[in-house]
Amino acid sequence: GENVEQHPSTLSVQEGDSAVIKCTYSDSASNYFPWYKQELGKRPQLIIDIRSNVGEKKDQRIAVTLNKTAKHFSLHITETQPEDSAVYFCAALPSGSARQLTFGSGTQLTVLP
Amino acid sequence: KAGVTQTPRYLIKTRGQQVTLSCSPISGHRSVSWYQQTPGQGLQFLFEYFSETQRNKGNFPGRFSGRQFSNSRSEMNVSTLELGDSALYLCASRRGGGSSYNEQFFGPGTRLTVL
Repeated sequence: GENVEQHPSTLSVQEGDSAVIKCTYSDSASNYFPWYKQELGKRPQLIIDIRSNVGEKKDQRIAVTLNKTAKHFSLHITETQPEDSAVYFCAALPSGSARQLTFGSGTQLTVLP
Repeated sequence: KAGVTQTPRYLIKTRGQQVTLSCSPISGHRSVSWYQQTPGQGLQFLFEYFSETQRNKGNFPGRFSGRQFSNSRSEMNVSTLELGDSALYLCASRRGGGSSYNEQFFGPGTRLTVL
């Protein structure tokens, strides 16, 4: 089955700096890669996603890049703000009949004011 | 549109008991997935239901089961509870069907504590 590794597990940045979280996946047939943000005590919420036919996608201060050859994808957050502090999860969805999201272990991002 | 709702929000049980958790998806969503979230293991997929049929199942023992009703509401059951079952149980709904995987929306979760 699919295996997703996420790094780093914790990340602290100064407000205004950029943050990058990286994930690798094992199944080359995976074709959908969402990122979720989970604030303390709240539900995970989708913040951005990318499909395998696209190399990069941006939404204001967040962007995701996908390298299918290397089987890794990354979340980039620019001009970080304290409200960006949360746990971020990446996930991958393999193609085929067993289409279930496999999640990375999460990154605790702390933005220091 | 109302979001995904889960009941109860908190539950305390003792070892050996069984528990039933409920999830009401967003109106119009036919797919409901269940996840177990623990600090050490992250988000682990339990199962997915679509149109009352289990479509996928994760690597959990048979003590974990679920079902979906004709109105797309779903329940999951855990029998013979163990201490290690203490976790946040999240359900998520999406429209389902079609060739593309559409966005999944999570509920607030049920915090289960097994004593």
